[in-house]
Amino acid sequence: DGGITQSPKYLFRKEGQNVTLSCEQNLNHDAMYWYRQDPGQGLRLIYYSQIVNDFQKGDIAEGYSVSREKKESFPLTVTSAQKNPTAFYLCASSIGRFGGRASDEQFFGPGTRLTVL
Amino acid sequence: AQSVSQHNHHVILSEAASLELGCNYSYGGTVNLFWYVQYPGQHLQLLLKYFSGDPLVKGIKGFEAEFIKSKFSFNLRKPSVQWSDTAEYFCAVTPYSGAGSYQLTFGKGTKLSVIP
Repeated sequence: DGGITQSPKYLFRKEGQNVTLSCEQNLNHDAMYWYRQDPGQGLRLIYYSQIVNDFQKGDIAEGYSVSREKKESFPLTVTSAQKNPTAFYLCASSIGRFGGRASDEQFFGPGTRLTVL
Repeated sequence: AQSVSQHNHHVILSEAASLELGCNYSYGGTVNLFWYVQYPGQHLQLLLKYFSGDPLVKGIKGFEAEFIKSKFSFNLRKPSVQWSDTAEYFCAVTPYSGAGSYQLTFGKGTKLSVIP
């Protein structure tokens, strides 16, 4: 069954600790994305990666870091520099640049709700 | 940078009522347009999309949307809502570049509550 998995579903951390959120996809997609969702704010792009070993900052990258060492995986680290890290984090993927117009259709994982205490 | 505006934050309807959710975007060039839905406790899923061609597009579960280029709008409609349509709906836009723009911009969402 193809899809995107994010783990864990709920995550609690103490203030000042870094935390890494997992995202894995088996859709053979080149592009992957991280979004943050806050009530009434919609989804805001944190980072995206068009291809392995490459990634770009989105609109709200400050306090976050990513890596893309494998096509299937795009972990997001929420660092202690992120001033308001409590949020719902969504990972997505898309075919990528060889998909034509369909390359812009993104598929989403179930999300991780991070609470920083 | 493009932006997306969804006119209603929260819409409350009775079952069988008709639905129209507004979406306007600001971008002068060619765009790809999407509506996503997030049911309670579930992940975001695609309702429908517009790339080109017939401006009236049909999606899953009886939803449709009309692209009006002159109005920069992509409104979502359903003739008769059901309680199971209770969810949050997001409009999203990306400029079309041919090679993938990777810049999907979302509206802030509209919560729909359907009363049985």
